Amino acid sequence: GQQVMQIPQYQHVQEGEDFTTYCNSSTTLSNIQWYKQRPGGHPVFLIQLVKSGEVKKQKRLTFQFGEAKKNSSLHITATQTTDVGTYFCAGVGTSYDKVIFGPGTSLSVIP
Amino acid sequence: DSGVTQTPKHLITATGQRVTLRCSPRSGDLSVYWYQQSLDQGLQFLIQYYNGEERAKGNILERFSAQQFPDLHSELNLSSLELGDSALYFCASSVGPSRGETQYFGPGTRLLVL
Repeated sequence: GQQVMQIPQYQHVQEGEDFTTYCNSSTTLSNIQWYKQRPGGHPVFLIQLVKSGEVKKQKRLTFQFGEAKKNSSLHITATQTTDVGTYFCAGVGTSYDKVIFGPGTSLSVIP
Repeated sequence: DSGVTQTPKHLITATGQRVTLRCSPRSGDLSVYWYQQSLDQGLQFLIQYYNGEERAKGNILERFSAQQFPDLHSELNLSSLELGDSALYFCASSVGPSRGETQYFGPGTRLLVL
């Protein structure tokens, strides 16, 4: 069945450093969603990528969807303490009825 | 605030008991999803309802059941509770039936089974 993996599982960075998390699916996706969950909070939708090779930016966050639509990345430039949390990708299958969440990457930012 | 409400916020109960978790979706959303989040399992999709009908089933145990009412709120019933059922239970909602749509998550119910 469809599997979605994320690496790394944990990342500790110094404030101001960059951070990247990678999401890989075992099958081709129709689109991919990214969510952020702050400690003690609930997942919050960040963005959805649909097109092959798509790149979207939200301030210091850059999201990419791979050409083969099987992988994605989230890059944060110059991390801040407000970036702390777990970042989940959610792969949407080509039938749009299967959505698998990755295990998440937990980001800690050391001030 | 996502617009999705869940009650109760916290629940402590004993093994063998039964509990009901409640969710009200965002205004206008017809789909409700239930997820279980535990430390070692991540976010696990349990079940989806769309406009009162079961739409998709995930890793939901037979001891668990759910329903969506005519006013679109949903309840997740957990019975014969075990220690391993301790987790955060999230409800999410979306406009249509496709799980590929953006889902808006509620604040969750933290269940502790002692």
